[in-house]
Amino acid sequence: GQNIDQPTEMTATEGAIVQINCTYQTSGFNGLFWYQQHAGEAPTFLSYNVLDGLEEKGRFSSFLSRSKGYSYLLLKELQMKDSASYLCAVRDSGGYQKVTFGTGTKLQVIP
Amino acid sequence: DTAVSQTPKYLVTQMGNDKSIKCEQNLGHDTMYWYKQDSKKFLKIMFSYNNKELIINETVPNRFSPKSPDKAHLNLHINSLELGDSAVYFCASSQDRAGGQGSYGYTFGSGTRLTVV
Repeated sequence: GQNIDQPTEMTATEGAIVQINCTYQTSGFNGLFWYQQHAGEAPTFLSYNVLDGLEEKGRFSSFLSRSKGYSYLLLKELQMKDSASYLCAVRDSGGYQKVTFGTGTKLQVIP
Repeated sequence: DTAVSQTPKYLVTQMGNDKSIKCEQNLGHDTMYWYKQDSKKFLKIMFSYNNKELIINETVPNRFSPKSPDKAHLNLHINSLELGDSAVYFCASSQDRAGGQGSYGYTFGSGTRLTVV
């Protein structure tokens, strides 16, 4: 089984940098995803990590440490439109490679 | 040109009724999923089909029955609806059964908000 933990809520200021953490315990690991979900909308894919290290995509970066069961999503130059929930999701290494989502971190960006 | 489309977007129905939600994807993906998102925003997998074959069937009441007539469609039929079934149901697809290899992940539909009264 899998257990995924994220902070429930965070607040950050427009223009600043925010780091959203995710820790997981899993019986088998085969990749970690980050999704963004605006209120009332569908989740949209942001990033994917399967090897240790940092993946950068524009203002968003995602980091993974498999030995620590830890990932973070880094958002730079925050904009008001970044106010959303950010979901961490872990794929297991079983035959069907199921993806399990965390409960998400609701980020509020304030002026 | 919607990639994953679900209908209806909203569904309000009485307890005990039977209802269906339809999902279609035009991405050519092999795998489709149904997820349930409850009031606390927890997104939980229900079913997954790979090329019309059921590959994931989580602990879901047997009142829920998925049907995949072809790999582009995955419908969800719910019998004898209960108050606790109220949630947002998301359909999703991926290029393979691994939840999306590499940098693609899932593509989600816009969701169906089901309210049972």
